[in-house]
Amino acid sequence: DTGVSQDPRHKITKRGQNVTFRCDPISEHNRLYWYRQTLGQGPEFLTYFQNEAQLEKSRLLSDRFSAERPKGSFSTLEIQRTEQGDSAMYLCACRGPSNYGYTFGSGTRLTVV
Amino acid sequence: GENVEQHPSTLSVQEGDSAVIKCTYSDSASNYFPWYKQELGKGPQLIIDIRSNVGEKKDQRIAVTLNKTAKHFSLHITETQPEDSAVYFCAATGGGFQKLVFGTGTRLLVSP
Repeated sequence: DTGVSQDPRHKITKRGQNVTFRCDPISEHNRLYWYRQTLGQGPEFLTYFQNEAQLEKSRLLSDRFSAERPKGSFSTLEIQRTEQGDSAMYLCACRGPSNYGYTFGSGTRLTVV
Repeated sequence: GENVEQHPSTLSVQEGDSAVIKCTYSDSASNYFPWYKQELGKGPQLIIDIRSNVGEKKDQRIAVTLNKTAKHFSLHITETQPEDSAVYFCAATGGGFQKLVFGTGTRLLVSP
């Protein structure tokens, strides 16, 4: 148990459908990150929240992607009109206010068919 | 922005041997360098990290060295065991939001 929960673990969807993933970070970890990992690659940064504020977004995050963190607790990542190229592992990570180390969740594996 | 290169992409060793994985980074402002182990179907797990004001750090069989001048850092695993088999990622970060930039990973296979 890493302390970061992601739901669902796996999602298969048809091209063009919308999907939403949820991340529950470690409580009191005010900094939350979303990453995307494709097969054989390292995770790539998507977006960053400090409390409820979304402070940085990668250019990888197209207009079809949106992320929220209401009340600075859990976060959601939504992908609209999914494409086959969106197939990947979506990872959530968090950090506390006074440490450097990230804790990652187990990820949500998305397959777009 | 930061760019991290990692070598080798695959590494096969016999149980008990040592394994070394090397990374270089491009941004001299980077100040934190973690290493992650990722097993199949799981998220990355932090195994050791080093900050830029330290040259070496050791934790049992695992050590990390940092050369700021050359902008490279390395992971050393001694007395490898089959359970060390996994994909290892280096990363670097710096700046206000401390987002991690990862290397491309090294698949380590330890044969009994």
